[in-house]
Amino acid sequence: EDKVVQSPLSLVVHEGDTVTLNCSYEVTNFRSLLWYKQEKKAPTFLFMLTSSGIEKKSGRLSSILDKKELFSILNITATQTGDSAIYLCAVVNSNSGYALNFGKGTSLLVTP
Amino acid sequence: DAEITQSPRHKITETGRQVTLACHQTWNHNNMFWYRQDLGHGLRLIHYSYGVQDTNKGEVSDGYSVSRSNTEDLPLTLESAASSQTSVYFCASSAGTGSTSTDTQYFGPGTRLTVL
Repeated sequence: EDKVVQSPLSLVVHEGDTVTLNCSYEVTNFRSLLWYKQEKKAPTFLFMLTSSGIEKKSGRLSSILDKKELFSILNITATQTGDSAIYLCAVVNSNSGYALNFGKGTSLLVTP
Repeated sequence: DAEITQSPRHKITETGRQVTLACHQTWNHNNMFWYRQDLGHGLRLIHYSYGVQDTNKGEVSDGYSVSRSNTEDLPLTLESAASSQTSVYFCASSAGTGSTSTDTQYFGPGTRLTVL
């Protein structure tokens, strides 16, 4: 059975801090790992990673995948209150078509 | 602009009633998915479809059904609603066909369903 474990489950930081969110996985036939941000409503897509060691970056957010150690990290630098959200990690198993297998998420609260 | 919509956004129903949640996308995506989100469980896959007339069961499909009669819509039916089906339901879609499909899914705004 595929597993996706995110840590920590929740985190409180001050504005301006840098945070690192973790996602480890066990998947029989890994194809890709995706990060989503969920505020009050629908998850919104952040990054998709398929190759190990390549960093994806968008503004203050970046992510890297380690296929040997089976994990990914999502970094947020100079956090803002607008970064408060649940961050979801999902993996795709090539044996399971195109469905996403999600972790339980990390709830991030950025305080002023 | 292309989008994915869900209706209703909120619904309260009684145990034993049949309920249908609508999902409509205008991206012309072949792949559509239904997930439910519960505290402590994250998002779990209910049913999915890779094209018209194609439907498949996900991890938590018991008590749910879907049908795909056109590209744009994938309605989710709860045959006989149970309190355990109280949840937030998300529809999602992704582009491509078969081996050209992309893994990136785009989500609708969700439907909050309460079964009393």
